[in-house]
Amino acid sequence: QLQLQESGPGLVKPSETLSLTCTVSGGSISSSSYYWGWIRQPPGKGLEWIGSVYYSGTTYYNPSLKSRVTISVDTSKNQFSLKLSSVTAADTAVYYCARIYSFGHGLDVWGQGTTVTVSS
Amino acid sequence: QSALTQPASVSGSPGQSITISCTGTSSDVGSYNLVSWYQQHPGKAPKLMIYEVFKRPSEISNRFSGSKSGNTASLTISGLQAEDEADYYCCSYTGSSTLVFGGGTKLTVL
Repeated sequence: QLQLQESGPGLVKPSETLSLTCTVSGGSISSSSYYWGWIRQPPGKGLEWIGSVYYSGTTYYNPSLKSRVTISVDTSKNQFSLKLSSVTAADTAVYYCARIYSFGHGLDVWGQGTTVTVSS
Repeated sequence: QSALTQPASVSGSPGQSITISCTGTSSDVGSYNLVSWYQQHPGKAPKLMIYEVFKRPSEISNRFSGSKSGNTASLTISGLQAEDEADYYCCSYTGSSTLVFGGGTKLTVL
């Protein structure tokens, strides 16, 4: 059974870079049918797609975050990662990683989410 | 890209049916049969309920159904049960390999 687990610091200072990793277990990140994505949810608010990556390294970003986001994949470790630069309090959120079937067809497996707070 | 438009809240009594709408544009919902729906209980990760407008993962009850007309997609839940009370989000492919979510709808089972 495929599982995803987010990891990374729970507290990041303003203007610094938020870094998270999603570890995939129970399956291969190199499957040709799937993409891998990051989604966030600010406290009390809705879901926002941040971006996605294919195992080849091809990336797709939310235009509103594109200038600050980098998503990468490490197939040897079965992991993919998120970096969000120049963070502010508005980036405080629960960050989820998820598997996306054939891009756009549905996010069918989700991690449990990790809370990241931006504060000095 | 702008978020898809959903009603902030809907409610229904046990056994009744409710429908949640998700309105986009001709650039997203209207152009692709790639709308999905997610259920989220408080403090939990979202769960895929419907994909490709109307398809259900095997483990999802057939009380959940999806449809689309023009730029608006809909999720219908029939035979409402107490455990259906949750937040529901729609999501659409927008072209250019991007995704957009709706603002979310809180379902209350009276």
